[in-house]
Amino acid sequence: IAGITQAPTSQILAAGRRMTLRCTQDMRHNAMYWYRQDLGLGLRLIHYSNTAGTTGKGEVPDGYSVSRANTDDFPLTLASAVPSQTSVYFCASSEDMNTEAFFGQGTRLTVV
Amino acid sequence: KNEVEQSPQNLTAQEGEFITINCSYSVGISALHWLQQHPGGGIVSLFMLSSGKKKHGRLIATINIQEKHSSLHITASHPRDSAVYICAVRFNNDMRFGAGTRLTVKP
Repeated sequence: IAGITQAPTSQILAAGRRMTLRCTQDMRHNAMYWYRQDLGLGLRLIHYSNTAGTTGKGEVPDGYSVSRANTDDFPLTLASAVPSQTSVYFCASSEDMNTEAFFGQGTRLTVV
Repeated sequence: KNEVEQSPQNLTAQEGEFITINCSYSVGISALHWLQQHPGGGIVSLFMLSSGKKKHGRLIATINIQEKHSSLHITASHPRDSAVYICAVRFNNDMRFGAGTRLTVKP
């Protein structure tokens, strides 16, 4: 692994199903973030984590949950997917909240 | 109201032209970021600014904290600069993004 990796790269999901998007970084960054990107709305912060063991809500947290059990991993879970969660999801990490962020390649999720 | 406004939304230039993309924001910030998103979708951080000016190769970013305004300049533009450029501001634990400027540089 080099940098920050997301999985899967794309997924088609039936509405009502549970889904976890995975994000792993090997840079020992303290801060990690999940964003969604929608046409016409740009990137929006879903959840963030300042350091392992802590998480916080961003601009659009409803319908999503995160955990940060260790420094490297920051999974995003959709407990019961809805079509409005169709989006491209980006994970990012940074050394701390005030340094530049490195982005994963994105996960394209379609909820049908 | 969007806290971050970018202009222009779309920009087409000829190779070699000097490019300016503007970003205005309405909240007190701790830092401003310029990001580049290529057609394949990947996002790369270009600059993080809290004051003054930064330069990296042909890219220059400036910020005026009092006026809540930042500019991204590209000198001697090249077709490989074609991408969406996104301004983002950090305040408290939140990050807000502009809608992006789609730049097309024609050979």
